[in-house]
Amino acid sequence: SQTIHQWPATLVQPVGSPLSLECTVEGTSNPNLYWYRQAAGRGLQLLFYSVGIGQISSEVPQNLSASRPQDRQFILSSKKLLLSDSGFYLCAWSYSGGPDTQYFGPGTRLTVL
Amino acid sequence: GQQLNQSPQSMFIQEGEDVSMNCTSSSIFNTWLWYKQDPGEGPVLLIALYKAGELTSNGRLTAQFGITRKDSFLNISASIPSDVGIYFCAGRISGNTPLVFGKGTRLSVIA
Repeated sequence: SQTIHQWPATLVQPVGSPLSLECTVEGTSNPNLYWYRQAAGRGLQLLFYSVGIGQISSEVPQNLSASRPQDRQFILSSKKLLLSDSGFYLCAWSYSGGPDTQYFGPGTRLTVL
Repeated sequence: GQQLNQSPQSMFIQEGEDVSMNCTSSSIFNTWLWYKQDPGEGPVLLIALYKAGELTSNGRLTAQFGITRKDSFLNISASIPSDVGIYFCAGRISGNTPLVFGKGTRLSVIA
């Protein structure tokens, strides 16, 4: 069976500090991978998605970047965090070439102070 | 970008009552998905719909893909306290477009 992991689970960072959130998927090959942000009490905002290693599509211009160094690894980064980067970050995967049913990870709660 | 209108935004119901929520779009979708999110966790897929008119059940949950392909409904029968959470609809216009999510329906169940 497939599983998706995210870490860390929670993170408190000062404004201006760098960020690196990691997501890994097990049990499948060449998945489509996604990063979402969810502000408190709000819906899901798609940030990035990737259909393969090194292939990243950005949905919203922002202070963040994404990378996919390995087939089942997706990383969300920032060089300098802003207060507005606070939120709940979710990674998701779906089958490549299959139904677009997305499966979410447990999320990372980021607080920027 | 595309938007989904999900309603109601929140609901307070008595345990045992039935619940109904829906999503509408101005565009035709070829996929409708329903997720539930518990506090502090990632959304969990409840039901996936891929054909207009499709009616699918998952235990006490039933969802339908509207025949116009512009809407979808989720019904929960005989609600219980563990049904509490935020329910999201999501849809996809075509194979090359990403999923679009509704803003969620927050469900509270009063025992």
